[in-house]
Amino acid sequence: DTGVSQDPRHKITKRGQNVTFRCDPISEHNRLYWYRQTLGQGPEFLTYFQNEAQLEKSRLLSDRFSAERPKGSFSTLEIQRTEQGDSAMYLCASSSASGRNYGYTFGSGTRLTVV
Amino acid sequence: GDSVTQMEGPVTLSEEAFLTINCTYTATGYPSLFWYVQYPGEGLQLLLKATKADDKGSNKGFEATYRKETTSFHLEKGSVQVSDSAVYFCALSGGSQGNLIFGKGTKLSVKP
Repeated sequence: DTGVSQDPRHKITKRGQNVTFRCDPISEHNRLYWYRQTLGQGPEFLTYFQNEAQLEKSRLLSDRFSAERPKGSFSTLEIQRTEQGDSAMYLCASSSASGRNYGYTFGSGTRLTVV
Repeated sequence: GDSVTQMEGPVTLSEEAFLTINCTYTATGYPSLFWYVQYPGEGLQLLLKATKADDKGSNKGFEATYRKETTSFHLEKGSVQVSDSAVYFCALSGGSQGNLIFGKGTKLSVKP
């Protein structure tokens, strides 16, 4: 198992463009989380999937953000009409059903820069 | 709502010094508590965890004890190394779905 993979590692985009990030979790993990981390801050929860169902979304997830996990495996996070305030590191994490007890495995993140 | 507060950084220590990074939490119920470490340019790595009161998590010389009475989970290491330089995050597993809630992080720099 290669851990949680995120693609791309870095993305520079112009304001107003759409971007999409991909996360491949650990294969046997049925829970998948997206977080956003800005400079000097801790990661902030965005959304959560159990298998293919999106069970929770943070208030941080504006209507320009959408996430999917169509087959309960990989997930995508799309940001439409990007703004400079969207510049951040976007982190994906996965866990088994008992992630509360055993922790969550994070990917290396996708760093988004909106210019 | 649930929250985590950890000491402001940066913390600068000399090699072999004793490290304490304070972490306190507010939560309903009985969360699990975690310390994650983030090395420059990398993602977060789980350092240690504790799932119930009085549990002690330990890994790589780091320790933290889940103190319910003081709602704390302070990180300690007896002798730090240059390679421990990183940002350390305290977190709890809260919310209806067990989402991780993080503190703001504490940057540690260890000088030779």
